Amino acid sequence: DQQVKQNSPSLSVQEGRISILNCDYTNSMFDYFLWYKKYPAEGPTFLISISSIKDKNEDGRFTVFLNKSAKHLSLHIVPSQPGDSAVYFCAASEWANAGGTSYGKLTFGQGTILTVHP
Amino acid sequence: DGGITQSPKYLFRKEGQNVTLSCEQNLNHDAMYWYRQDPGQGLRLIYYSQIVNDFQKGDIAEGYSVSREKKESFPLTVTSAQKNPTAFYLCASSMGRSGTQPQHFGDGTRLSIL
Repeated sequence: DQQVKQNSPSLSVQEGRISILNCDYTNSMFDYFLWYKKYPAEGPTFLISISSIKDKNEDGRFTVFLNKSAKHLSLHIVPSQPGDSAVYFCAASEWANAGGTSYGKLTFGQGTILTVHP
Repeated sequence: DGGITQSPKYLFRKEGQNVTLSCEQNLNHDAMYWYRQDPGQGLRLIYYSQIVNDFQKGDIAEGYSVSREKKESFPLTVTSAQKNPTAFYLCASSMGRSGTQPQHFGDGTRLSIL
């Protein structure tokens, strides 16, 4: 049962255009969402996040949109650059119980490979 | 430069052998995590620790063990009970236990079976 899904395994975009990466979730208990970027042979790095009480968060070229009613979030990159070529993971956080305490447990999507062509 | 160091980068395991993956962080983070990534899948949580000498099972803990004797270190042992250990393993840490505090990842260890 995959609670976070990135249905597009890959996306190809021309440099300077907009890249839109999508993510769908099923668990209503998720209250925080994050995007991570991963280059080959490296670990994921945090990119941008959004709380469930907001519908948009912007950081430079990156904007994340959240549609709670549709259980959908998207990452927009404008303008796209060749250095943006990487795997992008969306992740969703919910409070989970562990040993009598709670913590923010992340559930990750499968990732989308973004290729930005010069 | 603060960060998370995982070693080795590549590891090979023989049948019936236990192997240990190292994870060290100098970010002064309390919480540490181990994830497994398989091709075409997202990261899945193996173990989680929010404080020294305390750790909790994640979604796929069977066949794995961990220890947290020092704040900086969270080694993962892949035991012979783990029948399908070939995967990419990622260690992460975060300042606290809230999901709003982004996790920082190491560069991973790729484990293969000989």
